[in-house]
Amino acid sequence: NAGVTQTPKFRVLKTGQSMTLLCAQDMNHEYMYWYRQDPGMGLRLIHYSVGEGTTAKGEVPDGYNVSRLKKQNFLLGLESAAPSQTSVYFCASSYIPGQGSSPLHFGNGTRLTVT
Amino acid sequence: AQKVTQAQTEISVVEKEDVTLDCVYETRDTTYYLFWYKQPPSGELVFLIRRNSFDEQNEISGRYSWNFQKSTSSFNFTITASQVVDSAVYFCALSERWGGATNKLIFGTGTLLAVQP
Repeated sequence: NAGVTQTPKFRVLKTGQSMTLLCAQDMNHEYMYWYRQDPGMGLRLIHYSVGEGTTAKGEVPDGYNVSRLKKQNFLLGLESAAPSQTSVYFCASSYIPGQGSSPLHFGNGTRLTVT
Repeated sequence: AQKVTQAQTEISVVEKEDVTLDCVYETRDTTYYLFWYKQPPSGELVFLIRRNSFDEQNEISGRYSWNFQKSTSSFNFTITASQVVDSAVYFCALSERWGGATNKLIFGTGTLLAVQP
């Protein structure tokens, strides 16, 4: 049981380049999320999805786009990378949360450096 | 506004010491959930515990215990007889009801725990 898998694990981009981070989960979870982790700032929500074909903005969505074409996959895109997007990116998934009771299952993260 | 504060940025203890990690939260919701996650040096995020706002019973799991007090809006985490393997960043998080969808987690900034042998 793989859980939540993120690819790639590491990536270096030059300013202005684009890339897509892939998140795949095999737990049949409805909800999926993209967070970024920066020193001293904890984890901040970028975008989330409450089901196949749906996406919504989180706390820090600017500069990112997402797509959820299949229930098991959630893609995070950077169209024109900037140094401020240097971060560790985490994907997570959860069941339909009901009263907010479902813990998030996280992937192992992607370390992105933009030079 | 919902907020989670972990005032302790770094804590260093010697093995076998007890250590408490503080978490203070703010929310206007009457129903909410609190979480603790562990992030070891390898980087993954590991779920430790979930507590709902209606259950103020303390919980103990092995060397770990959690003290939830609504009166002080705190959800503190204690490790008894700490071990080197407990060295990690620990995050406290609050689930927020948000546009009809719940489960948006608001994270604190984390506490780095270093357990020295």
